Parts: sequence; structure tokens; C-alpha cells
Amino acid sequence: EPEVTQTPSHQVTQMGQEVILRCVPISNHLYFYWYRQILGQKVEFLVSFYNNEISEKSEIFDDQFSVERPDGSNFTLKIRSTKLEDSAMYFCADSGNTNTEAFFGQGTRLTVV
Amino acid sequence: GESVGLHLPTLSVQEGDNSIINCAYSNSASDYFIWYKQESGKGPQFIIDIRSNMDKRQGQRVTVLLNKTVKHLSLQIAATQPGDSAVYFCAAGGTSYGKLTFGQGTILTVHP
Repeated sequence: EPEVTQTPSHQVTQMGQEVILRCVPISNHLYFYWYRQILGQKVEFLVSFYNNEISEKSEIFDDQFSVERPDGSNFTLKIRSTKLEDSAMYFCADSGNTNTEAFFGQGTRLTVV
Repeated sequence: GESVGLHLPTLSVQEGDNSIINCAYSNSASDYFIWYKQESGKGPQFIIDIRSNMDKRQGQRVTVLLNKTVKHLSLQIAATQPGDSAVYFCAAGGTSYGKLTFGQGTILTVHP
């Protein structure tokens, strides 16, 4: 069964440092998303991406965040200057169409110290 | 804005019982709904979805009911097994490029 793959599984970084979280979506899917889940809380939408541009972003997705699909396969989330409150699980997801199920990766646990 | 909420944060059942997990949503423009299962340390796993033009959909051991009048949906799990123990999230989506709004989550614990 095809799956969304995320790396690394766990990243520890110092406050103020830049991090890049990586995702390899399912090959024929066109719509990509990043979500985050702070420990013990619900999953929150960050951003959606289609046709090499952002389709929608939430209020969480401020200027510190950016997304790219640099080589046509990998899909990345960059946080320029991490804050303690950025510590969370970050999930990449994708779907074949806008109105179908989103397949989630296993997540990257980001810990900012 | 849209919010999706769950009525009960925890649910404990005996193996073999049927489980019902409830969810309310606020945005009447939501046109599809998904139930996800999340096990510890893993990403949300798709269980079943339903479109707003339906009121019931069945899968393997699971049934989702949608009541658009009161903006409520439920997930029914038949013959619950210990392997069903997880956090269950409902999520609502509209036409906005697949953005999903998740509920808080219900912890289902199945006792053997």
C-alpha cells in the first residue's frame, strides 16, 4: 500500500535555529498538506499546497514557515527561527483530489529546547 | 470560523461491545467528513468518510452516521476489539483545497 513518508522521525533543535521537515508524498497525488499536533491536543491545519504554490494557510502559518517542493517529489516544511511553542508533531498529508481522504505520514516530532 | 468538537473525551468498553463516538461540527458548508484513528506515536489513519449528501455509510465493522440538521456525526464500531484502542478524531472538510478541521479526539479503551 502506498504511503506518505516523513523524515526525520524526531528532530531536536535549539530555539532560534532553522529546521526543515521532509516528506515524500504518494507518487500520483497532487494536493499536499502540513498539519501539526501539539502534545495532547487536536491536529491543526497549517498549509495546503497545489501546483507548486500555497492554496491556503492558517493563522499558525506565519512568516517563519515556508513550504517547497524543490525536486518534484519531496515536499518540505521549513521553520526559519524555531520557538519553544513550535514543539509538536508535524504531519505531512496528501490526497489525489481536494475532496477525498487525506493520507497522513507518521509524523516528525519536533522538540525545541 | 469552523470548529469540530467531540462530546466525550474518553470511552471505555468491553471487548465485543459496540462503541459509539460522537462529534459535532459548526460549519454547515462542510461537505465531507472523515473519521481517523490515531495510535500512539503514529499519524492519523483513515477509517471511513461520508459526504454531505449521505446520512449513513458502512465499512468493515464501522458505520458513520451524519445528521446535517443538528450538525452531528457518529462513528459506530461493532464488536470492538482491543486493537481498536486508540484516539479517534472526526474531521470536517469543505471545498477549500482539502483543508480539514479536526475535533479534539476521543480516547477509546477496549478492555479484554
